[in-house]
Amino acid sequence: GNSVTQMEGPVTLSEEAFLTINCTYTATGYPSLFWYVQYPGEGLQLLLKATKADDKGSNKGFEATYRKETTSFHLEKGSVQVSDSAVYFCALNRLTGGGNKLTFGTGTQLKVEL
Amino acid sequence: DVKVTQSSRYLVKRTGEKVFLECVQDMDHENMFWYRQDPGLGLRLIYFSYDVKMKEKGDIPEGYSVSREKKERFSLILESASTNQTSMYLCASTPITGMSTDTQYFGPGTRLTVL
Repeated sequence: GNSVTQMEGPVTLSEEAFLTINCTYTATGYPSLFWYVQYPGEGLQLLLKATKADDKGSNKGFEATYRKETTSFHLEKGSVQVSDSAVYFCALNRLTGGGNKLTFGTGTQLKVEL
Repeated sequence: DVKVTQSSRYLVKRTGEKVFLECVQDMDHENMFWYRQDPGLGLRLIYFSYDVKMKEKGDIPEGYSVSREKKERFSLILESASTNQTSMYLCASTPITGMSTDTQYFGPGTRLTVL
């Protein structure tokens, strides 16, 4: 079946440090891949997405590239800020008769300190 | 902006009580979902609905039921709450466009504690 594996957190970084959060997936076919972010006390919101191999999703300085050969979708940011502190979820879609259902990873908590 | 609202942010109930969690979306979306979020387990799908009065079990439906009488409203029901149902519950919605990149829009969550 489909599954998503993320690196365990928490990840603690100093402001302006480089961020990588690893995500690998197992899926049949060619899923679309997503990163969602959950800020403290809020629900999840879409951060970025990619639909096919070699696509790069980007938003708010974050990037992730769909790597079919390594079945990965690692999240990166060149210089993190305190406001990036949140939980980040990698996800892939599952097509069903009624639409797409998402399979989520376990989430990675990021803490950015001054 | 899409808005998904949930009836309560925090809820405390006793074992054996019947619990209703309500979710409303204002974007005329066909699909609606209920997840529970637990540390180390991520989000797990409980039920989803792709139309009024239509529902389908997710990955962990045991102990839950749902109701969708109107397109904008999707209710999660715990018939007899138990302590292992203490969790964060998240509702989401998405349109049916046939696209694999449909974004799910989430509510703020309800943190349920069962004593």
